Amino acid sequence: SQKIEQNSEALNIQEGKTATLTCNYTNYSPAYLQWYRQDPGRGPVFLLLIRENEKEKRKERLKVTFDTTLKQSLFHITASQPADSATYLCALYLNRDDKIIFGKGTRLHILP
Amino acid sequence: NAGVTQTPKFQVLKTGQSMTLQCAQDMNHEYMSWYRQDPGMGLRLIHYSVGAGITDQGEVPNGYNVSRSTTEDFPLRLLSAAPSQTSVYFCASSSLGREGRGELFFGEGSRLTVL
Repeated sequence: SQKIEQNSEALNIQEGKTATLTCNYTNYSPAYLQWYRQDPGRGPVFLLLIRENEKEKRKERLKVTFDTTLKQSLFHITASQPADSATYLCALYLNRDDKIIFGKGTRLHILP
Repeated sequence: NAGVTQTPKFQVLKTGQSMTLQCAQDMNHEYMSWYRQDPGMGLRLIHYSVGAGITDQGEVPNGYNVSRSTTEDFPLRLLSAAPSQTSVYFCASSSLGREGRGELFFGEGSRLTVL
């Protein structure tokens, strides 16, 4: 069956450390993968996009890797801050069907 | 520039009632979609549209209808509401880049309760 899994429902990280979130998928061949941030009561906000032919993408304190052999993406937040506390969602773009589907998300808590 | 606008923000329905969730975007995006979000379930795709006059089913389409008569609007209709449709609904839109869909722009959500 097809599924997208994000490593854990919740993750607690000490302030200043690097937070690493995982997105694994099975039986999909995405053209690219996206990461979004969602705060309580708000709609998701786009963070980063990484294509199938890219290994790594960076934006300020954020880094995303994409391994199409392992069918996995890792999302890193370096020098984490309490303001980084939110739910983070990964999404796959399936170009054959021209649609975007999401994992269940990981709630990240950065502890001061 | 308003982006993606959803109305209403909150709605309470009785089982069997019908209603329409409105979604409008002012970014001239071809692609629009509806998701529902339930605790522990993430965002699940209900229906989507790649342009005016074209709609497709997503992961959980049953109980919902959509139409796309204009580029700007993509309403979601519940024909006979059921308690299982209690959820937060998000509309999103995207442009088409060189290699496919770009980032999704989301509305603020519509919280629906069916009693």
